[in-house]
Amino acid sequence: SQKIEQNSEALNIQEGKTATLTCNYTNYSPAYLQWYRQDPGRGPVFLLLIRENEKEKRKERLKVTFDTTLKQSLFHITASQPADSATYLCAPPDSGAGSYQLTFGKGTKLSVIP
Amino acid sequence: GAVVSQHPSWVICKSGTSVKIECRSLDFQATTMFWYRQFPKQSLMLMATSNEGSKATYEQGVEKDKFLINHASLTLSTLTVTSAHPEDSSFYICSARTVGDQPQHFGDGTRLSIL
Repeated sequence: SQKIEQNSEALNIQEGKTATLTCNYTNYSPAYLQWYRQDPGRGPVFLLLIRENEKEKRKERLKVTFDTTLKQSLFHITASQPADSATYLCAPPDSGAGSYQLTFGKGTKLSVIP
Repeated sequence: GAVVSQHPSWVICKSGTSVKIECRSLDFQATTMFWYRQFPKQSLMLMATSNEGSKATYEQGVEKDKFLINHASLTLSTLTVTSAHPEDSSFYICSARTVGDQPQHFGDGTRLSIL
């Protein structure tokens, strides 16, 4: 199965700055990787999916990159706002090509300070 | 689109009671549904995967006689925690997906507290 490491448990940044969250995986290269947002007491909400042949994916203020050489995905939030404060989860498939079960990291709790 | 409804959102009951949690995909047909358990400050742990009309596949260490899963239709899956005990208290979350590498869409979870 896949092992996930998200760079830090908590990240505090000033409003307006860019937040960068890191996700490293250690076993096989996933065919794709998903990022979710989770608020306290709620289920995760899907944000972005990036495939192995895509270097970068964007959605509004969000950007995800996927580096299969480094076995790493970076998640960026530009012009961060206090409403972006949440836990962000990285989730590649649990095993190789064709798998649809996801392995979730522990997440990074982002706090955007006004 | 892609809304998943989970009910109830919280349950408090006595030890020995059985509790049923429902998970519905409201605007899409879910080929596969998943059930997760999450402890405070921990990641989501997959309990089981279910496909419509077939038996659920349980992860290692999850008692299938304890956690009964039924996926009767393409829009409904249920998790029944049988004879619940305090150690079963947790946050249970379901998700649903269609086909291919499409994302999972999650319900809002059920907070289960067993006294």
